[in-house]
Amino acid sequence: DIQMTQSPSSLSASVGDRVTITCRASQGINNYLAWYQQKSGKVPKLLIYAASTLQSGVPSRFSGSGSGADFTLTISSLQPEDVATYYCQTYSSALGTFGGGTKVEIK
Amino acid sequence: EVQMLASGGGLVQPGGSLRLSCAASGFTFSSYAMTWVRQAPGKGLEWVASISDTGGSTSYADSLKGRLTISRDNSKSTLYLQVSSLRVEDTALYYCAKGSGAAGSRTDYWGQGTLVTVSS
Repeated sequence: DIQMTQSPSSLSASVGDRVTITCRASQGINNYLAWYQQKSGKVPKLLIYAASTLQSGVPSRFSGSGSGADFTLTISSLQPEDVATYYCQTYSSALGTFGGGTKVEIK
Repeated sequence: EVQMLASGGGLVQPGGSLRLSCAASGFTFSSYAMTWVRQAPGKGLEWVASISDTGGSTSYADSLKGRLTISRDNSKSTLYLQVSSLRVEDTALYYCAKGSGAAGSRTDYWGQGTLVTVSS
């Protein structure tokens, strides 16, 4: 099975900071990677699919990159409403493994 | 508007069974794969199972295989998850999610979820 490892598990940054979250797959997954945002007590929301394609309606400060086994989610200028836990997920096989999540807070 | 309403959760004793349902609306249900994802209290997301648009292809998390059956009724736009031999560690919020295509585990919209509590 493919394992997905996210880092860091949590981070604290100031408003306006550039934030980067990393997701590493245990094997190559091409670009079959999605990123989700989950705010406290809310339903997860799709941000990015195919590693770098922004879902409709998602602010342009969010971006994704990577291919093969290493991927990143970047928030170019952190906003207070971005406080959430972020998850990567691969859909390269029939199984849809999630990473462990990265909790983002405001410093 | 895409909507998915999950139901069927509740308190169940260890060893028991439960059938979860997810009623979908706002899209052509029969054209999309569907997925169940769960989240234990205070924990991360765990992919559970996916089913193709016709129901002809299913996939399950290895850790749960043998205790799950995912199914769908396209005439009712409803997704199901039968879980048996429930364990305390199955306690979680179970989300249903709309697939992005006819098959596979990629999703785009998620419903509110139904809470399953396994306890004696």
